Amino acid sequence: ETGVTQSPTHLIKTRGQQVTLRCSSQSGHNTVSWYQQALGQGPQFIFQYYREEENGRGNFPPRFSGLQFPNYSSELNVNALELDDSALYLCASSSVQGSGANVLTFGAGSRLTVL
Amino acid sequence: GENVEQHPSTLSVQEGDSAVIKCTYSDSASNYFPWYKQELGKRPQLIIDIRSNVGEKKDQRIAVTLNKTAKHFSLHITETQPEDSAVYFCAAIPSGGNTGKLIFGQGTTLQVKP
Repeated sequence: ETGVTQSPTHLIKTRGQQVTLRCSSQSGHNTVSWYQQALGQGPQFIFQYYREEENGRGNFPPRFSGLQFPNYSSELNVNALELDDSALYLCASSSVQGSGANVLTFGAGSRLTVL
Repeated sequence: GENVEQHPSTLSVQEGDSAVIKCTYSDSASNYFPWYKQELGKRPQLIIDIRSNVGEKKDQRIAVTLNKTAKHFSLHITETQPEDSAVYFCAAIPSGGNTGKLIFGQGTTLQVKP
């Protein structure tokens, strides 16, 4: 059984650029959620994907978008980067049903710095 | 909207002492309350969770209690060790059924002094 993996681990962008972050979910999990964790803060929910569709969104603007693929992996895309987008982006996978429902397993994150 | 408040923001204890972190939540329909431990530069890791149909759960030195009436839940760590030093986050799943949506508290930095 493999855990949640994310790439890249670190990246630096400039304001106005676009970024794509990638996530492979844990084996057996069919739901992927993305979180933004600013320094010294708790993770903030961005959105969730289930069956390749967005299924719930937090308080983030439309320039944050995502995809889920048939193998349950996912991408987070952020357009028109702003300085405040600098954060650790965490991907978490989970299962919709069964005794493990709601239990999220997090990846190690992608550290984005916007200059 | 949904909100989770966590206290204290920092906690320093001597090795062997107990540590207690408290959280309150706003959504009375929340039914799942996990606790995550995050060491510096690492991923949040689930250490214990509790569902709304039980009032207490224990796993070795770690326990969580839930008071649904007061919308309050707490993490208890006994016999603390230096390796318990980390940031701890409480969380709650709000009503609405999105299984991957957690509302996190602001975090508690626990320092265990040898």
